[in-house]
Amino acid sequence: AQRVTQPEKLLSVFKGAPVELKCNYSYSGSPELFWYVQYSRQRLQLLLRHISRESIKGFTADLNKGETSFHLKKPFAQEEDSAMYYCALGNQAGTALIFGKGTTLSVSS
Amino acid sequence: DAGVIQSPRHEVTEMGQEVTLRCKPISGHDYLFWYRQTMMRGLELLIYFNNNVPIDDSGMPEDRFSAKMPNASFSTLKIQPSEPRDSAVYFCASSPQGIAYGYTFGSGTRLTVV
Repeated sequence: AQRVTQPEKLLSVFKGAPVELKCNYSYSGSPELFWYVQYSRQRLQLLLRHISRESIKGFTADLNKGETSFHLKKPFAQEEDSAMYYCALGNQAGTALIFGKGTTLSVSS
Repeated sequence: DAGVIQSPRHEVTEMGQEVTLRCKPISGHDYLFWYRQTMMRGLELLIYFNNNVPIDDSGMPEDRFSAKMPNASFSTLKIQPSEPRDSAVYFCASSPQGIAYGYTFGSGTRLTVV
């Protein structure tokens, strides 16, 4: 079965510290993975897609098929990174996204 | 384009009442999705449409929930009768080609059933 696991509900770090938001998935075949972010009182928005191999707002995520992981990383956290982060996996048909339960990132000074 | 538009933004209703949530997708997007967000379960996919046709409604919790897409620019999610456990934020999203480029989400409807 397709599944996305985000083991941490809350991650608290200090400004300038490295951040790693964990995401593990269960999928048969080649997965399509995404990270979405929801800032306070704003709508969910796409942060990055694994297929693009991009870096957005200093965040990167590498697909590790051996560990079935797609962790989101940033070397130096900023206060404006505080938000809810969701990892998402494309379904087998490539038509819909399955989301994890989300991790709240809190960055304090 | 104004993006995905949902209405109402907030809805408070009494248990047993019918609730209708509305969504206007981005023009030209062929896919429309309804999700429910709760603290316990996170974001759950309820149902999605392609070219106005329901493709997968396996996430709809029970028969009290129904969704329609009468045309390319409008969709509704109806709960009848509503129950307190339906309280959640309901999101609509649309995309041009399934998941390839990700979704655009609406602002959500916060539903409270008392």
